[in-house]
Amino acid sequence: GAGVSQSPRYKVAKRGQDVALRCDPISGHVSLFWYQQALGQGPEFLTYFQNEAQLDKSGLPSDRFFAERPEGSVSTLKIQRTQQEDSAVYLCASSLATGKETQYFGPGTRLLVL
Amino acid sequence: DAKTTQPPSMDCAEGRAANLPCNHSTISGNEYVYWYRQIHSQGPQYIIHGLKNNETNEMASLIITEDRKSSTLILPHATLRDTAVYYCIVRGATRRSGGGADGLTFGKGTHLIIQP
Repeated sequence: GAGVSQSPRYKVAKRGQDVALRCDPISGHVSLFWYQQALGQGPEFLTYFQNEAQLDKSGLPSDRFFAERPEGSVSTLKIQRTQQEDSAVYLCASSLATGKETQYFGPGTRLLVL
Repeated sequence: DAKTTQPPSMDCAEGRAANLPCNHSTISGNEYVYWYRQIHSQGPQYIIHGLKNNETNEMASLIITEDRKSSTLILPHATLRDTAVYYCIVRGATRRSGGGADGLTFGKGTHLIIQP
């Protein structure tokens, strides 16, 4: 079946703009994760959903970052008033049930803030 | 989740077996060893995972030492397309009580370069 998809694949934003990044998980996957990957680093956890419930947002770097998954499927990561340090690849992953199973990743959205 | 240590880079000749080591000396009894890889400009790709016993699938083999303090990922016949950053991750089997991060903890991984 189809894997995790993300859109847009690339996004250029001017400093101060708001951006919204979309993730479509694998159909039927209950758990969804967002990660941030800076250049040359490994991905870092941002937040975790089980269905529509956001169970862990301990990795969100500031209150400018907000994620939602209102119907328990598609998720959106929103970054308000973007800063240059927000430039990174944003990865989405999903897993079948409780979140401790294998995670499958999308291709990521590369965000560049000018 | 326990911390892992991997060499920053390795080379391997095409067609040979690539053996990627990982140290996880603080691993606890219910923690699994996972391996992912990330090819340039792509998202991480799951390879294999194990608890105590050695595991093999169509991509690789995972050898875990008896004391579980280290493991080796083996790509039996490396190809140029196996050039990637390989991440060794230790992860518990159940969610932590009282919250805490549920995501995978990636280090910097090993950059494996397959030479033609």
